[in-house]
Amino acid sequence: DIQMTQSPSFLSASVGDRVTITCRASEGISTYLNWYQQKPGKAPKLLISAASTLQSGVPSRFSGSGSGTDFTLTISSLQPEDFATYFCQQSYSISFFGGGTKVEIK
Amino acid sequence: QVQVEESGGGVVQPGRSLRLSCAASGFTFSNYAMHWVRQAPGKGLEWVGVILYDGSNNYVADSVKGRFTISRDNSKNTLSLQMNSLRKDDTAVYYCAKGGRWLQSAIDNWGQGTLVTVSS
Repeated sequence: DIQMTQSPSFLSASVGDRVTITCRASEGISTYLNWYQQKPGKAPKLLISAASTLQSGVPSRFSGSGSGTDFTLTISSLQPEDFATYFCQQSYSISFFGGGTKVEIK
Repeated sequence: QVQVEESGGGVVQPGRSLRLSCAASGFTFSNYAMHWVRQAPGKGLEWVGVILYDGSNNYVADSVKGRFTISRDNSKNTLSLQMNSLRKDDTAVYYCAKGGRWLQSAIDNWGQGTLVTVSS
């Protein structure tokens, strides 16, 4: 099984900060990497698919990059509505999620 | 618009069975793989399983293999999760979610989830 290691598990940031979350696969997954945002009590929402494809309606301050084993999700200027938990997911071989990164207000 | 809605959650004793259902609308159900994903209280997301668009194949996580079965009825636009031999660590919110045509596509729509509590 391909395991996903996401870091950090928690980060504290201010509005306007640039935030980077990383996800590492235990073996190469090409670009079969997706990012989700989840707010408390809500279902996850797909932000980015195939490592870097921004979903319709998702603000352009979100971006994704990487291939192979190392991937990043970047929020260029953190907004109040971005405080949430973010998960990566590999869809190369069946599916596994990373452990999540909770982004909280500093 | 795309909608998926789970039902069937509740409280069940360890060792018993429960069947979850998911009703889909707003898209051509028979064209897409469908997933189950769960989330234990205060924990992260755990992929449970997936079934191909035509039901020809399905895969489940090792943690539920031999106990959980996924099925679908494309004539009724419904997805099911049969859960047997339930354990306390199966307690979670279970999400029904729409995938793509192929297994390697992202999960692009999620239901609101149904809570399963395994407790004596």
